[in-house]
Amino acid sequence: DAKTTQPNSMESNEEEPVHLPCNHSTISGTDYIHWYRQLPSQGPEYVIHGLTSNVNNRMASLAIAEDRKSSTLILHRATLRDAAVYYCILRDGGGSNYKLTFGKGTLLTVNP
Amino acid sequence: DAGVTQSPTHLIKTRGQHVTLRCSPISGHKSVSWYQQVLGQGPQFIFQYYEKEERGRGNFPDRFSARQFPNYSSELNVNALLLGDSALYLCASSFTGARGANVLTFGAGSRLTVL
Repeated sequence: DAKTTQPNSMESNEEEPVHLPCNHSTISGTDYIHWYRQLPSQGPEYVIHGLTSNVNNRMASLAIAEDRKSSTLILHRATLRDAAVYYCILRDGGGSNYKLTFGKGTLLTVNP
Repeated sequence: DAGVTQSPTHLIKTRGQHVTLRCSPISGHKSVSWYQQVLGQGPQFIFQYYEKEERGRGNFPDRFSARQFPNYSSELNVNALLLGDSALYLCASSFTGARGANVLTFGAGSRLTVL
């Protein structure tokens, strides 16, 4: 599986935007970029995914670099409930990719 | 609609015992996956089942086994428990088994402590 690199931790203030980076220099043409987050004492939760174009949903936006070697998850206005570990994961769209390969993710702290 | 439900939520076992963990997927989801999350680490893939057939297996010993039932619920079994099996065991369901755009919905997990 192609690997991703994320900062171990980031800090933000409440109601400010947060940009969470992810590097994936070995991404292949069929890899989708997925983001999940895990709140304390909960299972991971799907946030957003994309292939080539930027994506928006009610939770976040995903900005994908033109060469697809990096991406950024954008939380437009962080709240205390957004404090979690954020995982950037590549998923092969070809063949029978059946698993998510999690790294250590980025621990996001949101200050009141 | 109910999400992915797992039972039990917490359990304590001793070394050498076996454990069975259960998972009910979201209604209509035909795929179930199991992950192990050790404290401080990201989840690690154990198994994936789709339409009652094993589609993938992670790098875990044969002490770990699973199955999926006709109603798409699933069980994870671990025999001869070791201290290192202490972890949060997560179940995830999805409508299909594969493909890059497929999204998983996770349960809250079963916290296993082995003494």
